Amino acid sequence: AQKITQTQPGMFVQEKEAVTLDCTYDTSDPSYGLFWYKQPSSGEMIFLIYQGSYDQQNATEGRYSLNFQKARKSANLVISASQLGDSAMYFCAMREGGNTPLVFGKGTRLSVIA
Amino acid sequence: DAEITQSPRHKITETGRQVTLACHQTWNHNNMFWYRQDLGHGLRLIHYSYGVHDTNKGEVSDGYSVSRSNTEDLPLTLESAASSQTSVYFCASSESGTASTDTQYFGPGTRLTVL
Repeated sequence: AQKITQTQPGMFVQEKEAVTLDCTYDTSDPSYGLFWYKQPSSGEMIFLIYQGSYDQQNATEGRYSLNFQKARKSANLVISASQLGDSAMYFCAMREGGNTPLVFGKGTRLSVIA
Repeated sequence: DAEITQSPRHKITETGRQVTLACHQTWNHNNMFWYRQDLGHGLRLIHYSYGVHDTNKGEVSDGYSVSRSNTEDLPLTLESAASSQTSVYFCASSESGTASTDTQYFGPGTRLTVL
């Protein structure tokens, strides 16, 4: 069974608008971490934001915030005030328990339109 | 600055040849990982290591091997390259620990083509 699901293969957003990229996850472990990475056309994987399962507040990093809904097992990435440079692939990933590898979703391609 | 590097960045090889992709990190991280990225599949785990002389199989390990003789390096070997192994390969590393918070940092990737 897929542990990380990103249902939006592609998204378009107007410059300066906010956009939400969806991510749902599946785990029975009470301790887990959720990560978002950005992959621009140049190919590198850039870490954006982290949310722990026990964190009381939603994570924020600059224009990135994570809408964490534990009961619904969703960890959506919100990008505010989109910029042309935000055009990229975005991957949601999860680590269960302690020292385990990340499991990735298939990604969402975001295109920001001027 | 600490970093993680991969070499070569691009490689073309023929079916049946042995290929080794290098990964070197200066973070002094205990954990190292190899992923492959294919269109429609995201990143899939090939092998990983939690320290020197430790190796573990991931989701798509068939046809690949790794060995860890020091902290800095985790080379990935394709024993007999197949066209299905044409992909982009990413190496990553993270600190060891018992919490789920450790961020994985990625190398720039190696694009491998098997003809």
